[in-house]
Amino acid sequence: KAGVTQTPRYLIKTRGQQVTLSCSPISGHRSVSWYQQTPGQGLQFLFEYFSETQRNKGNFPGRFSGRQFSNSRSEMNVSTLELGDSALYLCASSLGPLTSGGQETQYFGPGTRLLVL
Amino acid sequence: KQEVTQIPAALSVPEGENLVLNCSFTDSAIYNLQWFRQDPGKGLTSLLLIQSSQREQTSGRLNASLDKSSGRSTLYIAASQPGDSATYLCAVFKAAGNKLTFGGGTRVLVKP
Repeated sequence: KAGVTQTPRYLIKTRGQQVTLSCSPISGHRSVSWYQQTPGQGLQFLFEYFSETQRNKGNFPGRFSGRQFSNSRSEMNVSTLELGDSALYLCASSLGPLTSGGQETQYFGPGTRLLVL
Repeated sequence: KQEVTQIPAALSVPEGENLVLNCSFTDSAIYNLQWFRQDPGKGLTSLLLIQSSQREQTSGRLNASLDKSSGRSTLYIAASQPGDSATYLCAVFKAAGNKLTFGGGTRVLVKP
């Protein structure tokens, strides 16, 4: 069974631009979560989507948004990029939503490394 | 607010030595705790998941313990190998917020 895939793997943008990252979950998984990893802040939760609905959101500004399609693939968008958005963006998939009492194991993709100049 | 701390931030040991990695968390009301491994520039690989009702989990050379009352978890890696060199992260999952909260990680180097 194929793992979580993320595209693109690397991306360079300039301040003020916007970017869209894509995540394809493991086949059969319906929950996709997004995380940002930086040297200073570590790994931080962005949001979770299950059945095309955002179930949970972390403490990030509205410039960070996402969506999920009927095939469970998810996209994350960051508008008006800032230098501080440079990070490794990870997505993780699980069978069920994270609200199911912590029973779900999340499987992580390799990440998209975004550099904002 | 849940805080997760991993000390030390970095660790270097000779091959064959046992590794002991520590994780502490401030709020004991957790559903589970997970240990992950991250290789440079890569995503995370789940190593062990301990439910709040469990005290430990084992997988091969890995053993993780959980003491909810003291807010601590320890990951033991027996007979370390150079291939164990990576960053190890722990994360706790709470009902409040329904998300994983990660520690800062411990970067491990196993020298041949």
